[in-house]
Amino acid sequence: KQEVTQIPAALSVPEGENLVLNCSFTDSAIYNLQWFRQDPGKGLTSLLLIQSSQREQTSGRLNASLDKSSGRSTLYIAASQPGDSATYLCAVISALNAGNMLTFGGGTRLMVKP
Amino acid sequence: DAMVIQNPRYQVTQFGKPVTLSCSQTLNHNVMYWYQQKSSQAPKLLFHYYDKDFNNEADTPDNFQSRRPNTSFCFLDIRSPGLGDAAMYLCATSRDRGANQPQHFGDGTRLSIL
Repeated sequence: KQEVTQIPAALSVPEGENLVLNCSFTDSAIYNLQWFRQDPGKGLTSLLLIQSSQREQTSGRLNASLDKSSGRSTLYIAASQPGDSATYLCAVISALNAGNMLTFGGGTRLMVKP
Repeated sequence: DAMVIQNPRYQVTQFGKPVTLSCSQTLNHNVMYWYQQKSSQAPKLLFHYYDKDFNNEADTPDNFQSRRPNTSFCFLDIRSPGLGDAAMYLCATSRDRGANQPQHFGDGTRLSIL
Protein backbone atom coordinates (compact mmCIF):
# COMPACT_ATOMS: atom_id res chain seq x y z
CA LYS A 1 0.00 0.00 0.00
CA GLN A 2 1.39 3.40 -1.00
CA GLU A 3 1.85 5.84 1.87
CA VAL A 4 2.68 9.52 1.52
CA THR A 5 4.22 11.55 4.33
CA GLN A 6 4.81 15.29 4.55
CA ILE A 7 7.22 16.90 6.96
CA PRO A 8 6.92 19.26 8.68
CA ALA A 9 3.22 19.28 9.48
CA ALA A 10 3.39 23.03 10.11
CA LEU A 11 5.89 25.73 9.26
CA SER A 12 6.08 29.43 10.12
CA VAL A 13 8.54 31.72 8.37
CA PRO A 14 9.06 35.48 8.01
CA GLU A 15 8.20 37.09 4.73
CA GLY A 16 10.93 36.95 2.10
CA GLU A 17 12.45 33.65 3.16
CA ASN A 18 13.06 30.84 0.72
CA LEU A 19 11.61 27.58 2.01
CA VAL A 20 11.36 23.90 1.22
CA LEU A 21 8.45 21.55 1.85
CA ASN A 22 9.11 17.83 1.86
CA CYS A 23 7.09 14.88 0.63
CA SER A 24 8.06 11.21 0.78
CA PHE A 25 6.35 8.11 -0.56
CA THR A 26 6.93 4.45 0.19
CA ASP A 27 6.57 2.88 -3.24
CA SER A 28 8.76 4.38 -5.94
CA ALA A 29 6.67 2.93 -8.80
CA ILE A 30 4.71 6.13 -9.33
CA TYR A 31 3.25 7.56 -12.50
CA ASN A 32 3.29 11.16 -11.34
CA LEU A 33 3.33 13.42 -8.31
CA GLN A 34 1.18 16.49 -7.87
CA TRP A 35 1.47 19.43 -5.46
CA PHE A 36 -1.71 21.19 -4.37
CA ARG A 37 -2.49 24.28 -2.37
CA GLN A 38 -5.51 24.42 -0.05
CA ASP A 39 -6.69 27.64 1.56
CA PRO A 40 -8.78 27.36 4.75
CA GLY A 41 -12.29 26.12 4.02
CA LYS A 42 -11.57 25.80 0.30
CA GLY A 43 -10.88 23.10 -2.23
CA LEU A 44 -7.55 22.13 -3.74
CA THR A 45 -5.70 24.13 -6.37
CA SER A 46 -3.20 22.22 -8.48
CA LEU A 47 0.23 23.89 -8.43
CA LEU A 48 2.57 21.53 -10.24
CA LEU A 49 2.43 18.04 -11.71
CA ILE A 50 5.65 16.09 -12.25
CA GLN A 51 5.61 13.05 -14.48
CA SER A 52 7.65 10.05 -13.37
CA SER A 53 10.15 10.69 -16.18
CA GLN A 54 10.76 14.28 -15.08
CA ARG A 55 13.07 15.62 -12.40
CA GLU A 56 11.45 18.97 -11.77
CA GLN A 57 8.78 21.45 -12.73
CA THR A 58 8.71 25.20 -12.26
CA SER A 59 5.92 27.74 -12.08
CA GLY A 60 6.78 31.28 -11.08
CA ARG A 61 8.31 31.24 -7.60
CA LEU A 62 7.57 27.53 -7.19
CA ASN A 63 9.89 24.70 -8.08
CA ALA A 64 9.07 21.06 -7.46
CA SER A 65 11.64 18.30 -7.73
CA LEU A 66 11.19 14.55 -7.87
CA ASP A 67 13.60 11.77 -6.94
CA LYS A 68 11.74 8.55 -7.64
CA SER A 69 14.49 6.22 -6.50
CA SER A 70 14.58 7.71 -3.03
CA GLY A 71 10.83 8.28 -2.87
CA ARG A 72 11.06 12.00 -2.32
CA SER A 73 9.79 15.27 -3.67
CA THR A 74 10.41 18.82 -2.54
CA LEU A 75 8.47 22.00 -3.18
CA TYR A 76 10.70 25.06 -3.13
CA ILE A 77 9.04 28.46 -2.62
CA ALA A 78 11.25 31.45 -3.35
CA ALA A 79 10.85 34.83 -1.66
CA SER A 80 7.82 33.78 0.36
CA GLN A 81 4.89 36.18 0.77
CA PRO A 82 2.01 36.33 3.27
CA GLY A 83 -0.30 35.30 0.43
CA ASP A 84 1.54 31.98 0.27
CA SER A 85 0.04 31.04 3.64
CA ALA A 86 -1.98 27.89 3.07
CA THR A 87 -1.79 24.12 3.43
CA TYR A 88 0.31 22.39 0.79
CA LEU A 89 -0.53 18.80 -0.11
CA CYS A 90 1.39 16.37 -2.25
CA ALA A 91 -0.25 13.39 -3.89
CA VAL A 92 0.98 10.52 -6.04
CA ILE A 93 -0.54 8.19 -8.56
CA SER A 94 1.16 4.83 -8.29
CA ALA A 95 0.82 1.40 -9.77
CA LEU A 96 -0.50 0.17 -6.42
CA ASN A 97 -3.60 2.35 -6.73
CA ALA A 98 -6.17 0.57 -8.85
CA GLY A 99 -7.52 2.95 -11.44
CA ASN A 100 -4.67 5.40 -10.96
CA MET A 101 -6.13 7.15 -7.94
CA LEU A 102 -4.37 9.88 -5.97
CA THR A 103 -2.83 9.08 -2.59
CA PHE A 104 -2.41 12.24 -0.51
CA GLY A 105 0.00 13.21 2.19
CA GLY A 106 -1.27 14.88 5.33
CA GLY A 107 -0.14 18.33 4.22
CA THR A 108 2.12 21.07 5.52
CA ARG A 109 0.41 24.15 6.98
CA LEU A 110 2.51 27.15 6.00
CA MET A 111 2.26 30.55 7.62
CA VAL A 112 4.29 33.43 6.18
CA LYS A 113 4.44 36.33 8.61
CA PRO A 114 4.63 39.93 7.31
CA ASP B 1 -14.84 31.24 -13.80
CA ALA B 2 -15.21 28.19 -11.59
CA MET B 3 -15.10 24.98 -13.62
CA VAL B 4 -16.01 22.55 -10.83
CA ILE B 5 -18.88 23.91 -8.78
CA GLN B 6 -20.09 22.46 -5.54
CA ASN B 7 -23.36 23.35 -3.86
CA PRO B 8 -23.99 24.24 -1.21
CA ARG B 9 -20.74 25.52 0.29
CA TYR B 10 -22.02 24.77 3.78
CA GLN B 11 -24.61 22.16 4.70
CA VAL B 12 -26.05 21.44 8.10
CA THR B 13 -28.16 18.35 8.69
CA GLN B 14 -29.50 16.42 11.61
CA PHE B 15 -28.18 13.11 12.82
CA GLY B 16 -29.76 10.40 10.68
CA LYS B 17 -31.42 12.78 8.21
CA PRO B 18 -30.50 12.04 4.58
CA VAL B 19 -28.51 14.71 2.80
CA THR B 20 -27.39 15.25 -0.80
CA LEU B 21 -24.38 17.22 -1.95
CA SER B 22 -24.09 18.44 -5.51
CA CYS B 23 -21.22 18.85 -7.96
CA SER B 24 -21.29 20.18 -11.49
CA GLN B 25 -18.54 20.73 -14.05
CA THR B 26 -18.16 22.75 -17.21
CA LEU B 27 -15.02 20.94 -18.36
CA ASN B 28 -16.80 18.03 -20.06
CA HIS B 29 -14.47 15.65 -18.25
CA ASN B 30 -15.11 11.93 -18.24
CA VAL B 31 -14.16 11.26 -14.65
CA MET B 32 -15.70 12.70 -11.49
CA TYR B 33 -14.48 11.96 -7.98
CA TRP B 34 -15.78 12.43 -4.45
CA TYR B 35 -13.34 12.84 -1.57
CA GLN B 36 -13.94 13.17 2.15
CA GLN B 37 -11.55 15.37 4.11
CA LYS B 38 -11.78 15.51 7.89
CA SER B 39 -10.18 18.30 9.84
CA SER B 40 -6.39 18.46 9.41
CA GLN B 41 -6.37 15.20 7.45
CA ALA B 42 -5.61 14.27 3.88
CA PRO B 43 -8.49 13.89 1.42
CA LYS B 44 -9.75 10.33 1.20
CA LEU B 45 -11.30 9.03 -2.01
CA LEU B 46 -14.83 7.69 -1.55
CA PHE B 47 -15.66 6.73 -5.15
CA HIS B 48 -15.42 7.90 -8.71
CA TYR B 49 -17.34 7.72 -11.96
CA TYR B 50 -15.60 6.95 -15.20
CA ASP B 51 -18.32 8.11 -17.56
CA LYS B 52 -21.29 6.08 -16.26
CA ASP B 53 -19.14 3.40 -14.68
CA PHE B 54 -19.30 3.67 -10.86
CA ASN B 55 -16.19 2.69 -8.87
CA ASN B 56 -16.47 2.37 -5.12
CA GLU B 57 -13.43 2.34 -2.83
CA ALA B 58 -13.28 -0.82 -0.72
CA ASP B 59 -13.51 0.99 2.61
CA THR B 60 -16.24 3.49 1.70
CA PRO B 61 -19.18 2.95 4.08
CA ASP B 62 -22.46 1.71 2.61
CA ASN B 63 -24.04 4.86 4.01
CA PHE B 64 -22.47 6.79 1.12
CA GLN B 65 -23.95 6.57 -2.35
CA SER B 66 -23.47 8.51 -5.55
CA ARG B 67 -25.38 9.32 -8.72
CA ARG B 68 -24.24 10.73 -12.02
CA PRO B 69 -27.30 11.47 -14.16
CA ASN B 70 -25.24 13.08 -16.95
CA THR B 71 -21.69 14.16 -17.77
CA SER B 72 -21.98 17.49 -15.99
CA PHE B 73 -23.49 16.51 -12.64
CA CYS B 74 -22.60 14.17 -9.84
CA PHE B 75 -24.31 13.81 -6.45
CA LEU B 76 -23.18 12.44 -3.12
CA ASP B 77 -25.96 10.98 -1.00
CA ILE B 78 -25.47 10.22 2.67
CA ARG B 79 -28.39 8.06 3.73
CA SER B 80 -28.13 8.33 7.51
CA PRO B 81 -25.43 10.81 8.52
CA GLY B 82 -23.62 10.15 11.77
CA LEU B 83 -21.50 12.57 13.78
CA GLY B 84 -18.39 11.00 12.28
CA ASP B 85 -19.48 12.06 8.80
CA ALA B 86 -18.94 15.74 9.55
CA ALA B 87 -16.23 16.76 7.11
CA MET B 88 -15.37 18.71 3.99
CA TYR B 89 -16.53 16.88 0.87
CA LEU B 90 -14.53 17.60 -2.26
CA CYS B 91 -15.53 16.93 -5.82
CA ALA B 92 -12.91 16.66 -8.55
CA THR B 93 -12.80 15.92 -12.25
CA SER B 94 -10.23 14.73 -14.75
CA ARG B 95 -10.40 14.44 -18.50
CA ASP B 96 -9.62 10.77 -18.40
CA ARG B 97 -8.46 8.18 -15.94
CA GLY B 98 -4.88 8.00 -17.20
CA ALA B 99 -1.96 8.80 -14.96
CA ASN B 100 -1.14 11.97 -16.88
CA GLN B 101 -4.50 13.57 -16.18
CA PRO B 102 -4.47 16.24 -13.46
CA GLN B 103 -7.51 16.46 -11.22
CA HIS B 104 -9.42 19.72 -10.91
CA PHE B 105 -11.13 20.34 -7.59
CA GLY B 106 -14.17 22.33 -6.52
CA ASP B 107 -14.24 24.48 -3.40
CA GLY B 108 -15.91 21.75 -1.38
CA THR B 109 -19.00 21.47 0.77
CA ARG B 110 -18.51 21.57 4.51
CA LEU B 111 -21.02 19.26 6.17
CA SER B 112 -22.01 19.67 9.80
CA ILE B 113 -24.15 17.18 11.73
CA LEU B 114 -26.35 18.33 14.60
